[in-house]
Amino acid sequence: AQKITQTQPGMFVQEKEAVTLDCTYDTSDPSYGLFWYKQPSSGEMIFLIYQGSYDQQNATEGRYSLNFQKARKSANLVISASQLGDSAMYFCAMRGSSDYKLSFGAGTTVTVRA
Amino acid sequence: EPEVTQTPSHQVTQMGQEVILRCVPISNHLYFYWYRQILGQKVEFLVSFYNNEISEKSEIFDDQFSVERPDGSNFTLKIRSTKLEDSAMYFCASTRGAGEVTDTQYFGPGTRLTVL
Repeated sequence: AQKITQTQPGMFVQEKEAVTLDCTYDTSDPSYGLFWYKQPSSGEMIFLIYQGSYDQQNATEGRYSLNFQKARKSANLVISASQLGDSAMYFCAMRGSSDYKLSFGAGTTVTVRA
Repeated sequence: EPEVTQTPSHQVTQMGQEVILRCVPISNHLYFYWYRQILGQKVEFLVSFYNNEISEKSEIFDDQFSVERPDGSNFTLKIRSTKLEDSAMYFCASTRGAGEVTDTQYFGPGTRLTVL
């Protein structure tokens, strides 16, 4: 079974600054994928970025980057140059090679201040 | 860009009634999923579906729930006799590949189900 832990229920960040959202995971699967999704107040789930367990380099996607530390079982999301539109709930999720489903963390609410 | 669509966006029903939530996955995707999110809580997996069969289901997905792909485009979730605790946002998702960990699940906008 996969377990995802997000310990920050809410964070505030100033516009144009960077913010790091923590995510730790636990799995016994040798191969797994880590995903981050954004959920704005409108409710939809928007895929942001993916990191594979065997990827040698940290994933980047525009202003999003993933700080992947396999030995520490952490996959923190970094949002650079925050914008007001980044205000949302952010979920870390993982999928192991032994199952089909995504397992989600509890989420972190980010509020960007002007 | 192709996207997953869901209808209706909001469904209100009386306890004990049957509801069918509809999804149109991305057209060339092969794996389909339903998740739910009770207000203020984490997203929970319900079921995955591939090649017209359930490939995995959670403990939540009991006999009251069923899924179907009635034609080449729609994927439905039926709740036979709704309970108050079924009130949640229900998300449909799909993946292109044959179920690899690298396959990104793309989510629809969700259907908010309210059971009165």
